[in-house]
Order: sequence, then C-alpha cells, then structure tokens
Amino acid sequence: KQEVTQIPAALSVPEGENLVLNCSFTDSAIYNLQWFRQDPGKGLTSLLLIQSSQREQTSGRLNASLDKSSGRSTLYIAASQPGDSATYLCAVRMYSGGGADGLTFGKGTHLIIQP
Amino acid sequence: GAVVSQHPSRVICKSGTSVKIECRSLDFQATTMFWYRQFPKQSLMLMATSNEGSKATYEQGVEKDKFLINHASLTLSTLTVTSAHPEDSSFYICSAARGRFEQYFGPGTRLTVT
Repeated sequence: KQEVTQIPAALSVPEGENLVLNCSFTDSAIYNLQWFRQDPGKGLTSLLLIQSSQREQTSGRLNASLDKSSGRSTLYIAASQPGDSATYLCAVRMYSGGGADGLTFGKGTHLIIQP
Repeated sequence: GAVVSQHPSRVICKSGTSVKIECRSLDFQATTMFWYRQFPKQSLMLMATSNEGSKATYEQGVEKDKFLINHASLTLSTLTVTSAHPEDSSFYICSAARGRFEQYFGPGTRLTVT
C-alpha cells in the first residue's frame, strides 16, 4: 500500500527566505505526483503536477522536483511571502494502466511565513 | 479552466439523520469523480471512486451502505451520509477527473453531526 510522508510537519520562517518542503513515497510505481496548497477550512489549489517521466516543474516562485526511483519529491519556494502561509500537500497517483485513479496524500506541511 | 463545485459548503445535522452532498463539474464532463474525507490535522483519505453509470468503488474500511454514492450524469455525483453520527463529522472533498491526467477538486463540505 502506498504511503506518502511529508517533512517537516510544520515550518515557520521569516519573509523572504527560500525554503524546501519534502515528500517521500514508498511505492515508486507512480503515474504522477502533485503538490497542492490548502488554506484553513478550504479546498485544494493545485500548484504543480509532475508526470512520472518528468524531473521537475516550475511555476513562478515554485519549483517541484521528482526523483521517482528514490521515492522523493521536493517543493522549493523562492523568496517566501506571508501570502504563502498555508498547508502544502503532496499527493501521488498510482499507475493502473487505464482510467483515472484516486490520489494518496501526505499529511501536509503547515507553513507560516512571518512578516 | 476546470471548475468543480460542492453544495452545501457547510451543514449541521442531528445524529440519525441523512445528509446529501453534491459535487458538480461546471465546465467539463467527468466520467470519474472521487470522494475524500479529511479529519482535523489529518490528510485527505480517498473514500470511493464514482464512475458515471456504474456502481462506486469503495476503499477498504469505508461502509458502502453508510456512504451512498450516485453518479447519475457526467457532471454530477452525490454522496449521502446515512444515519449520520458525530464520528462522521469531517471535511468532505470531491474531485473530478478530466481525462486520465489531472483531478480538479471542489471547495469541500464541512459536516458537523450533533
């Protein structure tokens, strides 16, 4: 059974710092990996999706990398801002050979950016 | 864009009653929708996969008779929590798959059972 672990569970840093969030998964036979942002009491906002054949994806100040063989992904946030404060979730989709499949989520990293 | 809505956003019900939550894909057709549950400070857990026109597939440990799922059209799936109890209080989120690649998530429904 796939398990997704996120480290750290919580992180508080001053505004302007660059930071790295980590995600690991136990079964490397993934179809893709996705990073989400969740604000308190809200739904999910998709940040980046990396297909299993890709090594990284970038969007603005965000960069996500994927090392499928070692079961790891990192989310890099450059020049952090208070508005980046949220819970960041990592999720993987397994490869089943067809159709769409549900995602397996980590517990998230709760990020606070201090003004 | 790909927008998924959920209704209601928040519901409070009494123990023993049933509650229906709707999930709609507003601007695309979704043959597959998913229902997740999130307890406080926990991760989202997949409850079931809903395919249009067929029975839902439930994850291990999820009672299919308690959580009734209906996917009557390509844009609508409903989750009915039957005979709700306080331990069913949770944040329920749906997602809709457009093709095989990406899932789009709804804003979630906060269920409180008193």
